[in-house]
Amino acid sequence: GALVYQYPRRTICKSGTSMRMECQAVGFQATSVAWYRQSPQKTFELIALSTVNSAIKYEQNFTQEKFPISHPNLSFSSMTVLNAYLEDRGLYLCGARGGAFSDYTFGSGTRLLVI
Amino acid sequence: QQKVQQSPESLSVPEGGMASLNCTSSDRNFQYFWWYRQHSGEGPKALMSIFSDGDKKEGRFTAHLNKASLHVSLHIRDSQPSDSALYFCAARRHYGSSGNKLIFGIGTLLSVKP
Repeated sequence: GALVYQYPRRTICKSGTSMRMECQAVGFQATSVAWYRQSPQKTFELIALSTVNSAIKYEQNFTQEKFPISHPNLSFSSMTVLNAYLEDRGLYLCGARGGAFSDYTFGSGTRLLVI
Repeated sequence: QQKVQQSPESLSVPEGGMASLNCTSSDRNFQYFWWYRQHSGEGPKALMSIFSDGDKKEGRFTAHLNKASLHVSLHIRDSQPSDSALYFCAARRHYGSSGNKLIFGIGTLLSVKP
């Protein structure tokens, strides 16, 4: 079946430092990868959507300068949180799908704590 | 404004009972719906999708969509303690377009008491 792995599962970084998280699709080709942040209140915010052969589209309040994303092939994506501060804490979820008519499959997330 | 609204925020039902969750899209452009379930410590997993008016049944789960009002519901019959989780409604603008995004509601926390 389609699986998405995210690592690390949990990370702590000092305020002002950066942290990179990775997303691996297994069993399918991830033509689209969406990165979300789930707040401590459990709401989902879409950060950006990356689709092969298209530019990465960032949502309002999120920028490439703060959350650079790489989607170099159909099985892998990474995102970095640059210059992390308290408001960046949360569970970062990667959702991937294998085509326009597929459902998104999500990983278990990377939980970011900022101290 | 949140494009996808969910209610109630939390719900408690006895084991064996019926749980009913509601969701409405406030943007007529978002009319393709999914229900996701998230257990503690995990990412959300797709339960079912519904795109057409009426009911869609999968085992103990039944989704109902009214496209005119953009209201979708999820009913869980014979609820089990293992159904206790966060349930999210999600909507998309198009079904087949590769670039369109999935928007989530705020979730309903379901607790099934043994």
